[in-house]
Amino acid sequence: SAVISQKPSRDICQRGTSLTIQCQVDSQVTMMFWYRQQPGQSLTLIATANQGSEATYESGFVIDKFPISRPNLTFSTLTVSNMSPEDSSIYLCSVGERWDTGELFFGEGSRLTVL
Amino acid sequence: AQKVTQAQTEISVVEKEDVTLDCVYETRDTTYYLFWYKQPPSGELVFLIRRNSFDEQNEISGRYSWNFQKSTSSFNFTITASQVVDSAVYFCALSLMDSNYQLIWGAGTKLIIKP
Repeated sequence: SAVISQKPSRDICQRGTSLTIQCQVDSQVTMMFWYRQQPGQSLTLIATANQGSEATYESGFVIDKFPISRPNLTFSTLTVSNMSPEDSSIYLCSVGERWDTGELFFGEGSRLTVL
Repeated sequence: AQKVTQAQTEISVVEKEDVTLDCVYETRDTTYYLFWYKQPPSGELVFLIRRNSFDEQNEISGRYSWNFQKSTSSFNFTITASQVVDSAVYFCALSLMDSNYQLIWGAGTKLIIKP
């Protein structure tokens, strides 16, 4: 399975600032996704990161707030813009390697606290 | 619409006890995948198993076993002779085979194994 590295692993940020999270995969992957996990909650899909084109956002998430880049098949970034305390969450990068299995593999997550 | 229910919010057992985590799913589709993931305190989600809707055979992997019953729409997970290292949040998830990795997640069950 792919090895996924996320940076930063955790950060404490001030209200109104922005933070960019990086996701690096050790092999080319078909699908990359960004999830949010609020404290004590399950996972919520933010968007699908599309290589070379705009990300596909889920209902309730917009590009202005969560801009995503995916310049190639091994790397993606998620920016959390104009942060508020409600953005305090774990943000997880995940990848899918094969269309026929539906399996997702996850990075270790980026734990974000907004003061 | 699809839905995954993990009714057990938290389970606490003493080490070496057997424990079963329940997962009930809803879908009208006949082709789907079911998953279990483990999220230890470190935060990284670890893939445990995938089962497709055509295969109702139960599976055993070491101390872990899974019971898939389409008649009751359940995909339960049993840990035999639990260990402290099994302490984690466990998520059950569902995806349709033509859904491009769109997972529907359960709320998770927090498992605490006491020494």
